[in-house]
Amino acid sequence: QKEVEQNSGPLSVPEGAIASLNCTYSDRVSQSFFWYRQYSGKSPELIMSIYSNGDKEDGRFTAQLNKASQYVSLLIRDSQPSDSATYLCAVLRGGNEKLTFGTGTRLTIIP
Amino acid sequence: EPEVTQTPSHQVTQMGQEVILRCVPISNHLYFYWYRQILGQKVEFLVSFYNNEISEKSEIFDDQFSVERPDGSNFTLKIRSTKLEDSAMYFCASSVSGYARETQYFGPGTRLLVL
Repeated sequence: QKEVEQNSGPLSVPEGAIASLNCTYSDRVSQSFFWYRQYSGKSPELIMSIYSNGDKEDGRFTAQLNKASQYVSLLIRDSQPSDSATYLCAVLRGGNEKLTFGTGTRLTIIP
Repeated sequence: EPEVTQTPSHQVTQMGQEVILRCVPISNHLYFYWYRQILGQKVEFLVSFYNNEISEKSEIFDDQFSVERPDGSNFTLKIRSTKLEDSAMYFCASSVSGYARETQYFGPGTRLLVL
C-alpha cells in the first residue's frame, strides 16, 4: 500500500472553475499535512498546511482534512492559468522529520 | 523573503566520480534536509540533519552518501562514487525546528546528470 496516494491526472479544469485535488494516506499517526505546488523543473512551493480536522482557507485555496477517513483535499477556487502545475500532497508523521510525498496530480487550467 | 539557495543549478558528471552539492539554508533554521526527485517520479526523502548530526536517513542514503555542515552557513551532500541511477533533481530544505507542524522550505534544486 502506497503511503500517500494521489490521482496522477491530468486534471483539466476551465478557467474560473473550482479545481478539486485529493490525497489519501496510510499512516494513522500522521500529524501534519501539506500541499505543495511544483512547476515543471522547479522545486516544491508550499501552498497550504493543515493539522486539524475540518477546513482551512487561505485566499482562493481551501484545504480539508478528515483524519478518520485518512483523507486530505485541496480546493482551488476561481482557477487561473497560472495554477497549472503539479500539486504534491505531503505528510509528516509525528516525531518523524521526513516528509512523505505523493506522486502528485498534474492540473491544467484551460483558458 | 529569506530563501534556501543551492549550487550548482546543474551538474554533469561521469559515473564513479564524486560530486558535492551545496546548500545555504535559511539563516535562523536549525533543521536541514536533502530530498531527491528522479525525473517523472515522486519527491523522496534522503536525510535530515540537526545539531551537526544526522537525525534520520532513508534506505536510499547508503554509504555512498554523506552530509556535512562545514561552516555556519553551508550544508552539503556528497555522493562518493556516482551511479547512473543517481541522476535526479536534488532538493535541499530547511525548517526552523523539527516539530511536526513545522514547514520545510525547499531550495531551487540541483539537477544532477550522471553519464
